[in-house]
Amino acid sequence: GESVGLHLPTLSVQEGDNSIINCAYSNSASDYFIWYKQESGKGPQFIIDIRSNMDKRQGQRVTVLLNKTVKHLSLQIAATQPGDSAVYFCAENILTGGGNKLTFGTGTQLKVEL
Amino acid sequence: EPEVTQTPSHQVTQMGQEVILRCVPISNHLYFYWYRQILGQKVEFLVSFYNNEISEKSEIFDDQFSVERPDGSNFTLKIRSTKLEDSAMYFCASSDISGTGGLGGANVLTFGAGSRLTVL
Repeated sequence: GESVGLHLPTLSVQEGDNSIINCAYSNSASDYFIWYKQESGKGPQFIIDIRSNMDKRQGQRVTVLLNKTVKHLSLQIAATQPGDSAVYFCAENILTGGGNKLTFGTGTQLKVEL
Repeated sequence: EPEVTQTPSHQVTQMGQEVILRCVPISNHLYFYWYRQILGQKVEFLVSFYNNEISEKSEIFDDQFSVERPDGSNFTLKIRSTKLEDSAMYFCASSDISGTGGLGGANVLTFGAGSRLTVL
């Protein structure tokens, strides 16, 4: 059947190229920003996070950049692989007395072409 | 690697029926959450639960919704009288002590694979 309402921005990259996924956030009071990866039929999976007082963090093959001036977050994936194909969500994390409340962005579909 | 497990993976129900979605969080985690994702849309926060009580809930989490940790291992979401618009993927998540876990300092929520609810 046809999927209803599935209009995610899509980024197509060649295997081995670098990918840059962008996200705009809204809440200046967020404590952390997190990137999640969601593969088809699975729940969101943590990739990397960055504290609000930082502007760059690097992980294994991934780098997150935070620009608080324009409320912009980006995820860079180096040497993109077929296994990176998924929907990527940025999330704002606000620490509350009862845990963490995540506010997710709309997501970007990353397609890796062989 | 520890994981959050959810059952059922898919449930179809008639409008007005009660539904219970079940979750087994990671055993040493203290904070529990439900999120939902309507097809093609963003993941939305429903409720957080700590120390056997709701710590925060969203506007979506109205009187038709309730959560419970009945036996120290399961964490359930009940929808008392389902509506068509409740059709969504419901994700359970858990985390350890707030403020630790992520290398950047954020607490890492571990999500389950989700329970797809279809209301007819």
